[in-house]
Amino acid sequence: DTGVSQDPRHKITKRGQNVTFRCDPISEHNRLYWYRQTLGQGPEFLTYFQNEAQLEKSRLLSDRFSAERPKGSFSTLEIQRTEQGDSAMYLCASSSRLAGDQETQYFGPGTRLLVL
Amino acid sequence: DQQVKQNSPSLSVQEGRISILNCDYTNSMFDYFLWYKKYPAEGPTFLISISSIKDKNEDGRFTVFLNKSAKHLSLHIVPSQPGDSAVYFCAASFSNSGNTPLVFGKGTRLSVIA
Repeated sequence: DTGVSQDPRHKITKRGQNVTFRCDPISEHNRLYWYRQTLGQGPEFLTYFQNEAQLEKSRLLSDRFSAERPKGSFSTLEIQRTEQGDSAMYLCASSSRLAGDQETQYFGPGTRLLVL
Repeated sequence: DQQVKQNSPSLSVQEGRISILNCDYTNSMFDYFLWYKKYPAEGPTFLISISSIKDKNEDGRFTVFLNKSAKHLSLHIVPSQPGDSAVYFCAASFSNSGNTPLVFGKGTRLSVIA
């Protein structure tokens, strides 16, 4: 299977704890995105990388959130001092932007976070 | 202020009939539109897309129509099958400007009844 993978698929944590999620993109894709989806809403953009460079961060990404893509391959999203409002599905997507082409993002299965 | 709107939270269609899902957007600078399908506890799956230079794109049972003057797009599924039952998301981006994060609607839940 060469699709986007995410780990873990589910995470339950207590308020105040730190959590880290991992995303492995499709191997030849140079762009990697993080989104968050809450109940009844569509996915909302958090941040994205082109290779190892973090190009944009949403205002949704508070100081407690940090994302890395150290070697331009997999990425991690860390949430420090989790709050109950962080409970959501965290989605990763990857794409390959070719000159002159439109860009289609392919999503992983997501990590469902529940903060108690 | 929602830039991409899917005003129908749900839709029920008989198997074999046509399903039409609608999407409106407010920002005329969007130049690339996509439809994703999502099953519970899974990530969105890409279905079909359309560039703003086109008004129709077809892929098997799925056709997307774009009306730029009305800032409206629709996804037609024909014939509808029970396996099409899922939540469908419309998404848009400013792809040509390099600003590529997707802006999603809230989704429409399609139920195809056998």
